[in-house]
This record gives sequence, C-alpha cells and structure tokens, in this order.
Amino acid sequence: DAGVIQSPRHEVTEMGQEVTLRCKPISGHDYLFWYRQTMMRGLELLIYFNNNVPIDDSGMPEDRFSAKMPNASFSTLKIQPSEPRDSAVYFCASSPLSGRRTGELFFGEGSRLTVL
Amino acid sequence: RKEVEQDPGPFNVPEGATVAFNCTYSNSASQSFFWYRQDCRKEPKLLMSVYSSGNEDGRFTAQLNRASQYISLLIRDSKLSDSATYLCVVFGRNYGGSQGNLIFGKGTKLSVKP
Repeated sequence: DAGVIQSPRHEVTEMGQEVTLRCKPISGHDYLFWYRQTMMRGLELLIYFNNNVPIDDSGMPEDRFSAKMPNASFSTLKIQPSEPRDSAVYFCASSPLSGRRTGELFFGEGSRLTVL
Repeated sequence: RKEVEQDPGPFNVPEGATVAFNCTYSNSASQSFFWYRQDCRKEPKLLMSVYSSGNEDGRFTAQLNRASQYISLLIRDSKLSDSATYLCVVFGRNYGGSQGNLIFGKGTKLSVKP
C-alpha cells in the first residue's frame, strides 16, 4: 500500500516567492497533520485536520502560512511570501482514528525547503 | 520549561553496549507516551508506546515515571543499525488545541560504532 506521499521532495526558491507543498494521506485516515522540522526547534506541529476540517492551526507561524484540505485525499501547505527563516523540512503525516490512542502517525518523506 | 525535553546527545557507544535515554515532560495531565525513531534525512517512525507498567520489545525497554514526569528508553546489545535519532513523544489534552495532540521532543542522537 502507498504511504503518505509528499511533493516536491526538494524545493529551492528565492525570498518573496510563493511555495506550495502537497500531501496525499493514506486512504481511510481521518487525520492529517503538517509538521515543520529544523535543527533549532525540532518537530513542530503547524496544523491538523480531522475529516478535512482544520481543527487546530495555532502552530502556524503567521499569516504567510496557509493550509487547505479540499478533500480526503489531498492537502496543501502554502507559504506566501517565503522568507529564509522558513527553510526547513516540512512533513505531512496522517493517522486513523485509532492513532489518537496508539500514537502512531504515518509520515511522508518530507519536503525539504530552502529559501535563499 | 519546555513541554518535552531530551538530552540531544550524541551518544556514541560501541556495538553490544547498553544505552539509556531519558525524557522529561512538563504537563502532568499528559496521557500517553511514545518513542519514535528517525534515521538521518528520513521521516520519523513509531518505535514503541510507553505503558505505565513498563514494556519491552526485544532489545528495547520503555518505562514511565509519572511522579517524576519522565520516560526512558533502554537499548540492550546495541547494533550498528540502531544508529538514529530517538524522539520522545507525549500526547495530552490542551496541547495545541482542545483535542490535544502529539508533542515531539527534539530527539537524542545515537551513534553505534563497530
């Protein structure tokens, strides 16, 4: 079975450009999460969805970040305009309802973003 | 105090050694605890849950001390393939929202040498 699929795997862009990261969760999973990982701050939760509805976006750094989940099989994380401090690995993860109890998130391979 | 704290390491140990990692958490209402493993430049993956009574999975033993608010991971007879970063993860309500969620530590890096 396919796992969580993220694209692009790597993106290098210039400050001020718009960046769109994409995620396809595992089919049947109720929850979708966007995380950001840096050496300094570790893995931080940005936002998560339950059945396509955003539940908590308190981790989104600022208005430059937005996330959508138009259907159960697709989500986007957009940064506009991008800044060098946004450089990080962005992970998408999904989990079934039971994952709330088992603690198991299934992560994609991540999108490594570099903003010059 | 950070919500979940870990010694970043690195822990450099020879093959066959026993190594232990600790992790402390700040919210006494935390409900569930886990260890994840993350290989270099890869995504995190669940290693094991941590139960109140302690639990073992092969060479790995996890323990929870609620009174002192820490969890531990013990690896016996370490292998080269155990080299990775080990993330302590805590689930609790009121973390980041009304439904609660998983909070990850920054991880402890383990390097097992021949």
